[in-house]
Amino acid sequence: RKEVEQDPGPFNVPEGATVAFNCTYSNSASQSFFWYRQDCRKEPKLLMSVYSSGNEDGRFTAQLNRASQYISLLIRDSKLSDSATYLCVVEGDSGYALNFGKGTSLLVTP
Amino acid sequence: SAVISQKPSRDICQRGTSLTIQCQVDSQVTMMFWYRQQPGQSLTLIATANQGSEATYESGFVIDKFPISRPNLTFSTLTVSNMSPEDSSIYLCSVFGLAGVYGEQFFGPGTRLTVL
Repeated sequence: RKEVEQDPGPFNVPEGATVAFNCTYSNSASQSFFWYRQDCRKEPKLLMSVYSSGNEDGRFTAQLNRASQYISLLIRDSKLSDSATYLCVVEGDSGYALNFGKGTSLLVTP
Repeated sequence: SAVISQKPSRDICQRGTSLTIQCQVDSQVTMMFWYRQQPGQSLTLIATANQGSEATYESGFVIDKFPISRPNLTFSTLTVSNMSPEDSSIYLCSVFGLAGVYGEQFFGPGTRLTVL
């Protein structure tokens, strides 16, 4: 079983739509969780950390359910510039090294 | 944030040869890592580059195939040895522990390797 699993996508949504991505992780001892964004042919960049209480950053809301080992990302009022691959990331066993999901591709269309 | 550069940005190599990739950070960082991203796949951790000592490799990766150096707090190299077409991938370094920045890893732009 992969350590981090995500909806494979792709998600094609119109501008202004709300879209949700889900992710599950296998290591119950994991302590840190993130969503990274990766644009085509670019390196991943941190979008937001995910906290147990849930957290919001503008149009983006992340939630963590430790009991179910489940992480989500909600994007409201989608913009064309939101088109990218969204990577669910969980801190691994090797100190601060990260385990990445395969990513969910989002395409926002006019 | 950190400014991270990688050299080369891309290369095309013959099987059986070796390539050394350099990663340079503009400020001192606590930890440096090397990842691989194969076509259509997500990132896989190869190893943690330890300053002044041997790297810590993840399962499936060995020092003979991927020797790593980290002589100081701002620089690391990854060598892909005795290459085969299966090594064609993007190799990325990342850093953690930038002064004044909590909890975020930054990635270099990647080195796109094609092995013929």
